[in-house]
Amino acid sequence: DQQVKQNSPSLSVQEGRISILNCDYTNSMFDYFLWYKKYPAEGPTFLISISSIKDKNEDGRFTVFLNKSAKHLSLHIVPSQPGDSAVYFCAAGGSQGNLIFGKGTKLSVKP
Amino acid sequence: NAGVTQTPKFQVLKTGQSMTLQCAQDMNHNSMYWYRQDPGMGLRLIYYSASEGTTDKGEVPNGYNVSRLNKREFSLRLESAAPSQTSVYFCASDQRGGREQYFGPGTRLTVT
Repeated sequence: DQQVKQNSPSLSVQEGRISILNCDYTNSMFDYFLWYKKYPAEGPTFLISISSIKDKNEDGRFTVFLNKSAKHLSLHIVPSQPGDSAVYFCAAGGSQGNLIFGKGTKLSVKP
Repeated sequence: NAGVTQTPKFQVLKTGQSMTLQCAQDMNHNSMYWYRQDPGMGLRLIYYSASEGTTDKGEVPNGYNVSRLNKREFSLRLESAAPSQTSVYFCASDQRGGREQYFGPGTRLTVT
């Protein structure tokens, strides 16, 4: 059973608009959440993270929101740029020491 | 500071052949990981090493073996390759489990 779910395989957004990528998790023991970005033929790169004691974390154009009661997190990219086109993976970590990854969402930002 | 390096970048094997994928990190991280990525499946953990001298199975360990050679290096071995092992393999490392992992560029493996 998937512990981390990204239900949208793809998302298309116009340049300059907001991109919202969603992620749901089932295990309440997760205490740390991350987003990774992956370009074709490259390894995933860490983008932004959030601890379970927070509900928001910002880094430039990227903001991650965490709703613990709903077991849901989202990544907001504002404004979206063509260079943001990539696959985004949500991941969750906890005391078990390993990250669990979602299946990814492919974001396309159109000029 | 090269981060996480992997060799080779590409490999084609015939069914039944063996090979070892190499991974090294220069960040003095304690933990290292091997993942495979298949279309629509995300990143699945094959094996991991929480610290030098220890290794443990992940979600999809069948058909693979690993060696944590020292703190820097973590290799993945396919003893008898099968077409189902066609995938892109990523090595990763982190200082402490459950937090930011740093990934290598990947090895694209095709088994015919």
